[in-house]
Amino acid sequence: KQEVTQIPAALSVPEGENLVLNCSFTDSAIYNLQWFRQDPGKGLTSLLLIQSSQREQTSGRLNASLDKSSGRSTLYIAASQPGDSATYLCAVTDHTDKLIFGTGTRLQVFP
Amino acid sequence: DVKVTQSSRYLVKRTGEKVFLECVQDMDHENMFWYRQDPGLGLRLIYFSYDVKMKEKGDIPEGYSVSREKKERFSLILESASTNQTSMYLCASSFRTPDNEQFFGPGTRLTVL
Repeated sequence: KQEVTQIPAALSVPEGENLVLNCSFTDSAIYNLQWFRQDPGKGLTSLLLIQSSQREQTSGRLNASLDKSSGRSTLYIAASQPGDSATYLCAVTDHTDKLIFGTGTRLQVFP
Repeated sequence: DVKVTQSSRYLVKRTGEKVFLECVQDMDHENMFWYRQDPGLGLRLIYFSYDVKMKEKGDIPEGYSVSREKKERFSLILESASTNQTSMYLCASSFRTPDNEQFFGPGTRLTVL
């Protein structure tokens, strides 16, 4: 059974730092991996989708990488800002199109 | 922009009531999903649907049913609400594999008293 783990569970950093969020999964037979952002009490916002054949995707200050063989993905946030404070979730899909979510990393960026 | 809307942001119901949560998407997605999110348990899949009139059980279907009469609309039904169904409910939709990026609605915070 696929299991997705995110480390660290929480992170607090000063504004301007570059940071890395980690995601690992136990079964490498995935179709894609998706990173989401969730603000308190709100729904999920899709940040990046990496297909299984891809190594990375970039959007603005965000860069996500995927190493399927080792079961790892990282989300890199450059020059963090207080507005980046949120919970970040990674999730993988297999051939059924269902998402299996990680446990999330709660990020706080302070001024 | 993809838009997934949910009928209510906040809902308060009494134990034993029948509850309908509605979800509508405007991107002609084949797949639609219902999740619940609870502190410490993360997101759990309740039901999903690959097409009109189709439904599949997720990880925690007990106490719930769904209806998909039109492609854009997916309803979650709590036949007889109970206090342990107090939760945040999230709807999502996607195309089928391989372009199956999921897009989520804003969520419905349901409280059952």
